[in-house]
Amino acid sequence: DVKVTQSSRYLVKRTGEKVFLECVQDMDHENMFWYRQDPGLGLRLIYFSYDVKMKEKGDIPEGYSVSREKKERFSLILESASTNQTSMYLCASSLDERYGYTFGSGTRLTVV
Amino acid sequence: QKEVEQDPGPLSVPEGAIVSLNCTYSNSAFQYFMWYRQYSRKGPELLMYTYSSGNKEDGRFTAQVDKSSKYISLFIRDSQPSDSATYLCATNLKTSYDKVIFGPGTSLSVIP
Repeated sequence: DVKVTQSSRYLVKRTGEKVFLECVQDMDHENMFWYRQDPGLGLRLIYFSYDVKMKEKGDIPEGYSVSREKKERFSLILESASTNQTSMYLCASSLDERYGYTFGSGTRLTVV
Repeated sequence: QKEVEQDPGPLSVPEGAIVSLNCTYSNSAFQYFMWYRQYSRKGPELLMYTYSSGNKEDGRFTAQVDKSSKYISLFIRDSQPSDSATYLCATNLKTSYDKVIFGPGTSLSVIP
């Protein structure tokens, strides 16, 4: 089975800190995605990548950036964390999006 | 109008009941349809995917797509307390590089 591993389950950071969320997948998938999930708003796409060193903005990229230096690793960066970035962050990968994603377990980030 | 809509629930049923979960979508060009299950504090996991109209069965789960009315359903037979989760429908277009659109999810509780 494909595994998508997110480095932290829970994180607490202070306003203004630079935050790195790491995601690694072990099945050689080309496509990787970062979502945030908030009650009442569902899953919202932040950034995605179809290849190494390639990135595309999703629906809510403001305040975030990403890095994909290796095929298996996709990092989400909060340049200067703010309280409205408190959320559940989910990483996903896929071989072909027509057949669905494999998600990680999520990182619950609290910014205080 | 949102691209994919679901009744958020919560839906509460007794153990052993047949559960019907439903979504509507707005874009008739959507071709691939998926259902994900998400347990509390976990990432979504892919349950089933289908292409175009028709039914697909997997154990106690049946996915049904009616493209003429832009309606997708997930039926759970002999529901179990372990089925208690949030169920998200999702869809995307024909080509593999179109991002997946998720519904907001329906929360289901199966009461022993």
